[in-house]
Amino acid sequence: GAGVSQSPSNKVTEKGKDVELRCDPISGHTALYWYRQSLGQGLEFLIYFQGNSAPDKSGLPSDRFSAERTGGSVSTLTIQRTQQEDSAVYLCASSLGGTEYQETQYFGPGTRLLVL
Amino acid sequence: GESVGLHLPTLSVQEGDNSIINCAYSNSASDYFIWYKQESGKGPQFIIDIRSNMDKRQGQRVTVLLNKTVKHLSLQIAATQPGDSAVYFCAENKGAAGNKLTFGGGTRVLVKP
Repeated sequence: GAGVSQSPSNKVTEKGKDVELRCDPISGHTALYWYRQSLGQGLEFLIYFQGNSAPDKSGLPSDRFSAERTGGSVSTLTIQRTQQEDSAVYLCASSLGGTEYQETQYFGPGTRLLVL
Repeated sequence: GESVGLHLPTLSVQEGDNSIINCAYSNSASDYFIWYKQESGKGPQFIIDIRSNMDKRQGQRVTVLLNKTVKHLSLQIAATQPGDSAVYFCAENKGAAGNKLTFGGGTRVLVKP
């Protein structure tokens, strides 16, 4: 079946512009996560959505970052007034979101963001 | 702070040999651990996981070992193949803190023909 998809695959923007990154989770997965991966680094948690619960935003680095999830499926990560340090690969993952918290997270291919 | 880290940033291995990738974690409350493989330009791919009530788990050509006494995790790849060349990340889940994962910095595995 289809995995997690993300768009665009690459995004180049100018400093100060806003960008929107999209994630389509695996069908039926109620949990969705955003991570950021800087060049040559590990993944850094940003935000987590679980069903209709309030999202866990504890990983967002600043108030320029926000995310929403519409209809419990597609999610959009928005970065306002982009800075050069925002350049990274933004990865989305989804999991079943059942009552067992130890769930496998499946990742999309990522969006490579370059801020000039 | 709490972290998950790796001892070796780069591992070079001969094709056909076994590979061992190590990972240390600092939070004794962590109860779920996962290994991911990431090839260039792709997202992380799940390899194998292990819960804290286990010491060992085997998959196809891979084995994960968990030593809770010293808070150490390892991934063993048997008969390493060129397709195993990638960056490998360990990650931990802290259960009650939600399902978010904390990742280590990654180890690059290079398979020599």
